[in-house]
Amino acid sequence: GENVEQHPSTLSVQEGDSAVIKCTYSDSASNYFPWYKQELGKRPQLIIDIRSNVGEKKDQRIAVTLNKTAKHFSLHITETQPEDSAVYFCAATKNRDDKIIFGKGTRLHILP
Amino acid sequence: GAGVSQSPSNKVTEKGKDVELRCDPISGHTALYWYRQSLGQGLEFLIYFQGNSAPDKSGLPSDRFSAERTGGSVSTLTIQRTQQEDSAVYLCASSKMGGLYQPQHFGDGTRLSIL
Repeated sequence: GENVEQHPSTLSVQEGDSAVIKCTYSDSASNYFPWYKQELGKRPQLIIDIRSNVGEKKDQRIAVTLNKTAKHFSLHITETQPEDSAVYFCAATKNRDDKIIFGKGTRLHILP
Repeated sequence: GAGVSQSPSNKVTEKGKDVELRCDPISGHTALYWYRQSLGQGLEFLIYFQGNSAPDKSGLPSDRFSAERTGGSVSTLTIQRTQQEDSAVYLCASSKMGGLYQPQHFGDGTRLSIL
């Protein structure tokens, strides 16, 4: 079955700098890759997603890139702000009826 | 309601007791997941219901854990003879299947504490 690896497990960046979180997946048939943000004590919430027919998607300060050949996808956060501090989870799934598989999460700290 | 609803929000019980956790998914969402999240840890998959298909129970950690979904809507996760290591937040998520893949929507979770 699908396996999703996420790294780093912890990331600290200076406020205003960029943060990059990377994920790899094992099943080349996977075609949908969402990213979730979980603030302390809150539920995970979808922040951006990408489907396998595109290589990049942007939404204001966040972007996701997908490399299907290498089977990896990344989350990029630019001009980081204190409210970006959270745990971020990547995920992958291969079709509409298949179970979604999550990475183990990255704890992002934005330093003042 | 507009979102996934879980109850109770908090549950404290003694070791050895049984507990039931409830999840009301978003109306029309045919897929429902249960996850366990220990403090500071990731999302541990427990069970997945998809429409009328047999549930994927591959994540249930022991036979003390079971779940059912009645009428394709509300789901109940039951933990029998609770142990201290069962203490965690139990999250439910639902999604709409069919057509383009739809993202999961999470509930606020049930924080379970075993004394």
